[in-house]
Formats: sequence, structure tokens, C-alpha cells
Amino acid sequence: GQNIDQPTEMTATEGAIVQINCTYQTSGFNGLFWYQQHAGEAPTFLSYNVLDGLEEKGRFSSFLSRSKGYSYLLLKELQMKDSASYLCAVINSNYQLIWGAGTKLIIKP
Amino acid sequence: GAVVSQHPSWVICKSGTSVKIECRSLDFQATTMFWYRQFPKQSLMLMATSNEGSKATYEQGVEKDKFLINHASLTLSTLTVTSAHPEDSSFYICSAGEGANDYNEQFFGPGTRLTVL
Repeated sequence: GQNIDQPTEMTATEGAIVQINCTYQTSGFNGLFWYQQHAGEAPTFLSYNVLDGLEEKGRFSSFLSRSKGYSYLLLKELQMKDSASYLCAVINSNYQLIWGAGTKLIIKP
Repeated sequence: GAVVSQHPSWVICKSGTSVKIECRSLDFQATTMFWYRQFPKQSLMLMATSNEGSKATYEQGVEKDKFLINHASLTLSTLTVTSAHPEDSSFYICSAGEGANDYNEQFFGPGTRLTVL
């Protein structure tokens, strides 16, 4: 089967750094996405990784290791508005998008 | 950035009626659009892939006769929920890809919240 695992919920403090992990097992790989979704809203694109390594975009960075089937999303200088669900999704060899269940991130003052 | 709109934003209807949801790419052409459904506190579930000028590809377990998809042009796809029932109440989201590889970056519409009474 195909599955994507990410923690259900994480808690972090405002101003701190948090890393959200995602491991995947899919039939082939054509890229991995991270999305942010606030409650009641559509997801917002954060990053796309298809090659190994770290991609940095401001306070957010995404890392990929294809050999390990592993990615993480790193959020720095956390702000209260970063409280949201973070979704990991992988494109398999059939160009199907496989979604993780999402990680609910709670930011405390 | 590219913008995807959906209409309506929310709809309340009686059981047994049909509801049409529109998804438009406002400033780019999308040969492929995707329709998702999301129940409260759950992840997005892909329902179907909509291809301009051809039949949609439905995910396993999604009834194609109940969820009619029409991708009439490069900027418009519609999802019609036929004979809606309370269990169809959900958040319906579309997305569209820009560029040669539609998966490189998907832009999501704001979603349509459907409540069936």
C-alpha cells in the first residue's frame, strides 16, 4: 500500500523553531509538497521538493531525502499565525497525489 | 501568483437537490484541475482529476454518476453533486496546476462549504 506518516499534533512556543517530519512509502516518487491549512480554509502551497536537500524560503525550509523516504518542514521564529495544520503530500509514479493526514501545530505564547 | 476562484463559497440545500460548484483559474490556463473533499478534522481526499476536453478520472470509491465533473474550458471546471444527501455535506476544494507539469505547484481555490439539510 501507499502511505504517508506525519505526527498528528505538535506544540511549540512563539519565537522558537519546530520541525515537522513526514515519512512516505509510495509506488514511485515524483515530488513532495508541504501545505499549510488554517481551520476552515483551503490549503496554501509552502514548498515542493523533488531533489534531495534543503530548500529555504524565508522562515520556512523543507528537506528531502529520497533514499530514506523522508522529509521535514522546518519553521523558524514561530509566530502565533503559524498555528495551523501542515499537510505533506507525495506524487507517485502514476502522478497520483497521496496526502498525509496533516500535523496540527499549536503555538503557545 | 496564480489565482483560483470557486463559486459559491457556501451553499445550503435540501436533500435530493443538485448543487453545482464552479472552479476557475483566473489568470492562467489549467489543462488539469483537481477536486477534493474534506470532512471536519480530516485530511483532503482527492475525488477526481478533471481534464479539459475529456472525461474526468475518478478515485476509487467516488461515484462518477453522483459527482459529475465537466471541464469545459482551460479556465473552468464544474462539480455537480447530484441528489445531494446530508452525508455529502463537506468542504469541497478545487486546485489547478500552472505550467508544463501541473504538479509542480498547485493553486487551491478557497473552497465551497456544502450543507445538505
